[in-house]
Amino acid sequence: GEQVEQRPPHLSVREGDSAVIICTYTDPNSYYFFWYKQEPGAGLQLLMKVFSSTEINEGQGFTVLLNKKDKQLSLNLTAAHPGDSAVYFCAVSYTGNYKYVFGAGTRLKVIA
Amino acid sequence: EAGVTQSPRYAVLQEGQAVSFWCDPISGHDTLYWYQQPRDQGPQLLVYFRDEAVIDNSQLPSDRFSAVRPKGTNSTLKIQSAKQGDTATYLCASSSGTGATGQLYFGEGSKLTVL
Repeated sequence: GEQVEQRPPHLSVREGDSAVIICTYTDPNSYYFFWYKQEPGAGLQLLMKVFSSTEINEGQGFTVLLNKKDKQLSLNLTAAHPGDSAVYFCAVSYTGNYKYVFGAGTRLKVIA
Repeated sequence: EAGVTQSPRYAVLQEGQAVSFWCDPISGHDTLYWYQQPRDQGPQLLVYFRDEAVIDNSQLPSDRFSAVRPKGTNSTLKIQSAKQGDTATYLCASSSGTGATGQLYFGEGSKLTVL
């Protein structure tokens, strides 16, 4: 079914360290994959979307890896800084409908 | 380009009271979503529309929750006889008609506290 598991729920790292968040999905009809960032009191902001079966995408200060074989999506923040402190959510969309299902979120704290 | 606008930002109710949340999506976006986000949890889909039509409201507690989008633009989510378990942030999001490929654009949310 349409379930997305995200781990860890909380993550604390020192400035300059890396931080890795992983999502696992089960539905083979999963279509597109997204990472969102939510800062306090704000809506969710898109970091990146990915599609290809095995894809590494690099953004500003982070890398996203999609592995459809293992049904896993990961977000790796390289050299984290305090401004990265936020809640991160993965999301999955499905073929045949317009539904997007979100993970439970990871609260990241970067300590200066 | 204006983003997704939601109001009110905050609402505090006693159990049994009613509340309505309003959402103005990005102009031209034909798909609109309402999510419920309890504290420290991920957004959980309540209902979504394509233009004025409800596509999926299977997760909407139909006995107390209702949602409309009469002209395919703005939308209202109403909770009647609120319960403490309804305490959450209600997020509205919109997207353009690209199937399930496009990103969702979120409003800042309406935070509901039911005492």
